[in-house]
Amino acid sequence: GIQVEQSPPDLILQEGANSTLRCNFSDSVNNLQWFHQNPWGQLINLFYIPSGTKQNGRLSATTVATERYSLLYISSSQTTDSGVYFCAVELIQGGSEKLVFGKGTKLTVNP
Amino acid sequence: DSGVTQTPKHLITATGQRVTLRCSPRSGDLSVYWYQQSLDQGLQFLIQYYNGEERAKGNILERFSAQQFPDLHSELNLSSLELGDSALYFCASSAGQGINNEQFFGPGTRLTVL
Repeated sequence: GIQVEQSPPDLILQEGANSTLRCNFSDSVNNLQWFHQNPWGQLINLFYIPSGTKQNGRLSATTVATERYSLLYISSSQTTDSGVYFCAVELIQGGSEKLVFGKGTKLTVNP
Repeated sequence: DSGVTQTPKHLITATGQRVTLRCSPRSGDLSVYWYQQSLDQGLQFLIQYYNGEERAKGNILERFSAQQFPDLHSELNLSSLELGDSALYFCASSAGQGINNEQFFGPGTRLTVL
């Protein structure tokens, strides 16, 4: 099956720093999504980004589908950005859509 | 608060037992999704229902089943429970049919199988 690999697995930053999280996938996909899980466990959709670049405030994402990777940029990080960031690829398998998640990047932003 | 509610918050049970997890979507949302998050398997998509019909299927075990009722709430039934089924189970809802619609997640149900 498809492999979704995220790097780095862990990242520690000082408040105000910028960071780039990477998601590589092993096969063609219909779509790609980024999620954030805060330290209290709450999951939030961040982006749907099959290709190109999207921005939402201090966060932006770029997917290069032909090269099978996506990047999530966090600028001027804040302590509230801490948590785990997951990418998930959307594909059709056996006639049904499904999402396959990476293992996540755990981000810690220190004050 | 996402508007998605899940009950119970915590559930402790024994191997071999059966449990039912409940999810109420946001008002107006027609799709419900179920996810499992465990230390071993990470975050996994289980299944999606749209307006009462199964729409997308992920890595859901045969021992697990789900349904969405006419009032749009959904239940996930887990039977013949094993230790490895211990996990956090999330429900999410969205307005649209496609899996790429913006999903709003509930707080999760933590299942512990002893």
